[in-house]
Order: sequence, then C-alpha cells, then structure tokens
Amino acid sequence: QKEVEQNSGPLSVPEGAIASLNCTYSDRGSQSFFWYRQYSGKSPELIMFIYSNGDKEDGRFTAQLNKASQYVSLLIRDSQPSDSATYLCAVSPFSGGYNKLIFGAGTRLAVHP
Amino acid sequence: GAVVSQHPSRVICKSGTSVKIECRSLDFQATTMFWYRQFPKQSLMLMATSNEGSKATYEQGVEKDKFLINHASLTLSTLTVTSAHPEDSSFYICSARANRGGNEQFFGPGTRLTVL
Repeated sequence: QKEVEQNSGPLSVPEGAIASLNCTYSDRGSQSFFWYRQYSGKSPELIMFIYSNGDKEDGRFTAQLNKASQYVSLLIRDSQPSDSATYLCAVSPFSGGYNKLIFGAGTRLAVHP
Repeated sequence: GAVVSQHPSRVICKSGTSVKIECRSLDFQATTMFWYRQFPKQSLMLMATSNEGSKATYEQGVEKDKFLINHASLTLSTLTVTSAHPEDSSFYICSARANRGGNEQFFGPGTRLTVL
C-alpha cells in the first residue's frame, strides 16, 4: 500500500465548475497535510496546508481534512483553464523525522473552456 | 516571502563530469532543505534531507557518494552529482522549510540536468 494515494486522472472539468481532488494516506499519526500545484516542466507551488479536521478556505480553494477516514481533499471553485496542472498531495508523517513530506503521485486536472 | 532559488536552471554536461547545483533560501533561514529528483511524467522522489551543519540524510537507494550534499549555511545547500552519466539526466528540485513556520516546504524552480 502506497503511503499517499491519489487518482492519477486526468480529471476533466468544464470552465466554471468545481474540481474535486482527493487523497488518502496510510499513516494514521500524520500531522500536517499540503496541496501543491505543478505545471508541466515547472517545480511544485504550495497552494494550501491544513492541520486540523474540517475545512479551510483560501479564495477559490478549499482543503478538507478527515483524520478518522485518513482522507484529505482539495476543492477548486470556478475552475479556470489556468488551473490545468498536476496537483500533488503531501503528508507529513508522524515518524518521518526531519519533517520530510511524503508526496502522492499527483492528479492531473484539465479544465476545458 | 518564502522564495527559493536554484542555480543553474539548466545544465548540459559530458558523461563523467561533476555538476554542482545550488539552492538558496532568499528571504528566510532554513536549517533543513530537501533535494528531489523527478523523471518525466513521474512523481517527485525525495533523494535526501540536508541539514545545516551536519551530514545529509539519504533515502534508501540513493548513493551518498554519488550525490554529495553540503549545507554550509542557513540559506545555502548544494548538491553535487559526481561522475554524471546519462541515466542521471533528470529534473532536480530543492525545497526549504522555514525555521519559523510549520512543515510546509517551498520549492526552488528546479535544475534540468542533461548528461550526454
């Protein structure tokens, strides 16, 4: 079982719709959770982080965390073609040491006009 | 804030040569930096964790004698790929974790290495 799992996609949504990206993790003691966006040929860019159960909103982005279900998601409202990228879920495991992050393989999002 | 730079952005070298990549945190101090490698259409692979003033911690399967890491100051870590071979061609990305903050990592723009 992979430590952080994401559906590879592509997830295709029309412009203006809500894109829902999901991630599950195996380490129940994980402390913090991150979403990064990576455009093709570029390095990852931090979008959001969440530490507590529930929702956290930042502009068009909402991160949702459910530690009991070991599930974290990212919602993108009013999706734009510029949101088309690979979205990486990252988890800081309890036993990771040096605060390293475990990354999922990423979900490719395609927003079409 | 939280800007990380990398130099060079792109390098082409001959097989057998060594290549040094620099990673700098420009507006914050980073005791801990990380080096990743990413092959086309694959996910990030953590190579090693770089700690200022101490030896790097390498992930399983990463040759420490081939990928030399030095973290000489709170704003600079370097990765040297020694005796590079074509199979080392990849996108190398560093990240830094701010001393004052949570576990979030801020990534540099990456270095694309091509070994001929």
